[in-house]
Amino acid sequence: GAGVSQSPSNKVTEKGKDVELRCDPISGHTALYWYRQRLGQGLEFLIYFQGNSAPDKSGLPSDRFSAERTGESVSTLTIQRTQQEDSAVYLCASSLVGTPGANVLTFGAGSRLTVL
Amino acid sequence: AQSVTQLDSHVSVSEGTPVLLRCNYSSSYSPSLFWYVQHPNKGLQLLLKYTSAATLVKGINGFEAEFKKSETSFHLTKPSAHMSDAAEYFCVVTFWGQGGKLIFGQGTELSVKP
Repeated sequence: GAGVSQSPSNKVTEKGKDVELRCDPISGHTALYWYRQRLGQGLEFLIYFQGNSAPDKSGLPSDRFSAERTGESVSTLTIQRTQQEDSAVYLCASSLVGTPGANVLTFGAGSRLTVL
Repeated sequence: AQSVTQLDSHVSVSEGTPVLLRCNYSSSYSPSLFWYVQHPNKGLQLLLKYTSAATLVKGINGFEAEFKKSETSFHLTKPSAHMSDAAEYFCVVTFWGQGGKLIFGQGTELSVKP
């Protein structure tokens, strides 16, 4: 597609429920990234995919968080047993390659998650 | 450890006056540096990037930044602020060996007064 597409744009859920966030990267982009942005804060790195493998998942905050990617296409970020501290905007980005320096990321508009 | 620090959480300028958003990084390696802008309810947009070529980098919308290795800084400037520049600005760094991991600063909110 023309840009990085994320869905849902807004999600309100109850504490303890599971949520799934979806990211459609730009066609042909091999690298895909998930970041989290809490209110008034900078972006926290969660996980990075090169193709469908995840060389760096060091930012996932707990085992309640998981992500997968099908080939060089769609990725889903799953949060199990959501907690109020999971409330944030979850941003997905993609780039042509995962090489530092060449890393010009195109970001999606984000999925805003609110856990009540 | 690698890190990036934006020295001001909020900067307020008058329209037509210069803009200076400060950023310092810490690294043992040669970094690649970026500035991204985030307008309200919009996605992040790349303003400019430095990747070891010219130390003075020009970006979109009249912004530029200068990489100063001796000062480990990458400050963002613009000669004359416009109302449409009001947004959140993020200084971002990545390093060889970090894979795809970008390290974001905490952000600087720029306000532009008429």
